[in-house]
Amino acid sequence: DGGITQSPKYLFRKEGQNVTLSCEQNLNHDAMYWYRQDPGQGLRLIYYSQIVNDFQKGDIAEGYSVSREKKESFPLTVTSAQKNPTAFYLCASNRDKGKNTQYFGPGTRLTVL
Amino acid sequence: GQNIDQPTEMTATEGAIVQINCTYQTSGFNGLFWYQQHAGEAPTFLSYNVLDGLEEKGRFSSFLSRSKGYSYLLLKELQMKDSASYLCAVRDLVDSNYQLIWGAGTKLIIKP
Repeated sequence: DGGITQSPKYLFRKEGQNVTLSCEQNLNHDAMYWYRQDPGQGLRLIYYSQIVNDFQKGDIAEGYSVSREKKESFPLTVTSAQKNPTAFYLCASNRDKGKNTQYFGPGTRLTVL
Repeated sequence: GQNIDQPTEMTATEGAIVQINCTYQTSGFNGLFWYQQHAGEAPTFLSYNVLDGLEEKGRFSSFLSRSKGYSYLLLKELQMKDSASYLCAVRDLVDSNYQLIWGAGTKLIIKP
């Protein structure tokens, strides 16, 4: 079955540690996105990529980094510079460089202790 | 600037009808999406409007008025499983880039 996978579903880390969240898709989508969701707020865009080896900062990129070495994969690293990293992280993808409907992975809930 | 407004929470009764409104202000409107999100899960796509009017899909319908910057999602014959948050998102075309601007979501509570 085609889809978007994120792993793990729950992740716990100590303050000051970097952590990488995985996102893989086998839908042959060009564009991929990382969002952060906090209670009572809309989705906020962290980074997005429309083609391999290229990505752009979203609205809240500080303290995060990404790579897009393969079309299928768009991992997100939450660095120790991110001041409030505890959140629900969602990966999404779509076709035609962002023009079409975005589809989401199941999400990773990160808790920093 | 860009802004999307939706009510924070609504309550409705099983079997009834509910309308969730969304108003928006964007610079390069290029379509409006509605997503459903159950607690702790990812959003799932419900509907898309780019032209004025009503789009019907089973128990769910979505309406758009571009001149008023307004949309609504209509849910009929409500079921307990419809208890979820409903997210309104506007696709904005800025400098040849498509971006989704998200509302904070409306939490819908269904009572028996």
